[in-house]
Amino acid sequence: EIVVTQSPGTLSVSPGERVSLSCRASQSVSSGNLVAWYQQKRGLAPRLLIYGASSRATGIPDRFRGSGSGTNFTLTISRLEPEDFAVYYCQQYASSPYTFGQGTKLEIK
Amino acid sequence: EVQLLESGGGLVQPGGSLRLSCAASDFTFKAFAMSWVRQAPGRGLEWVAAVSATGNTVYYADSVKGRFTISRDNSKNFLNLEINSLRAEDTAVYYCAKDPIRYSYHPTYYFDYWGPGTLVTVSS
Repeated sequence: EIVVTQSPGTLSVSPGERVSLSCRASQSVSSGNLVAWYQQKRGLAPRLLIYGASSRATGIPDRFRGSGSGTNFTLTISRLEPEDFAVYYCQQYASSPYTFGQGTKLEIK
Repeated sequence: EVQLLESGGGLVQPGGSLRLSCAASDFTFKAFAMSWVRQAPGRGLEWVAAVSATGNTVYYADSVKGRFTISRDNSKNFLNLEINSLRAEDTAVYYCAKDPIRYSYHPTYYFDYWGPGTLVTVSS
């Protein structure tokens, strides 16, 4: 099983700042960089942000950028908006079971 | 816009059974693989099962294999999950989730649309 580890667990930041969230897989997620990022707000379902490590999903603002390859991936949010404060999950979909990280919570400083 | 709405959750005793359903609308349901993903209270996400667009092929996480059965009815646009021998650790919100690729031979296992979820609580 590929273990996905996200860091940090919680990040306190101010609106307007730039943040980078880390996601590491215990094994390479192979060609295609099969990693997705989701945003989840309290009480709601996850929302797809990024797939294929760097492709933005439909309707996702360009302040969200995914990068990385192999085992190390990053979600960067430039110019945090108030609606961006949420929990972010990364997921590997290279091999079963298709595992998620434990999440990074972005909170307002 | 794609609509997914789960139902069937509730309070069940350990060892009991439950059938979850997901009503899909506003997209060509039969063209997309579908999955169930669960989230235990205050915890992260766990993929549990997937079914191909035709319904002919199913896939399970090892943690639920033998107890969970995923199926779909493409004539009625419904996704189902039968859960047997329920355990306390099955307590979670269960989401149905849509695969993004139309008519893909295999599911891609990432999800572009999710329903709001249905809560299953296993407790005596």
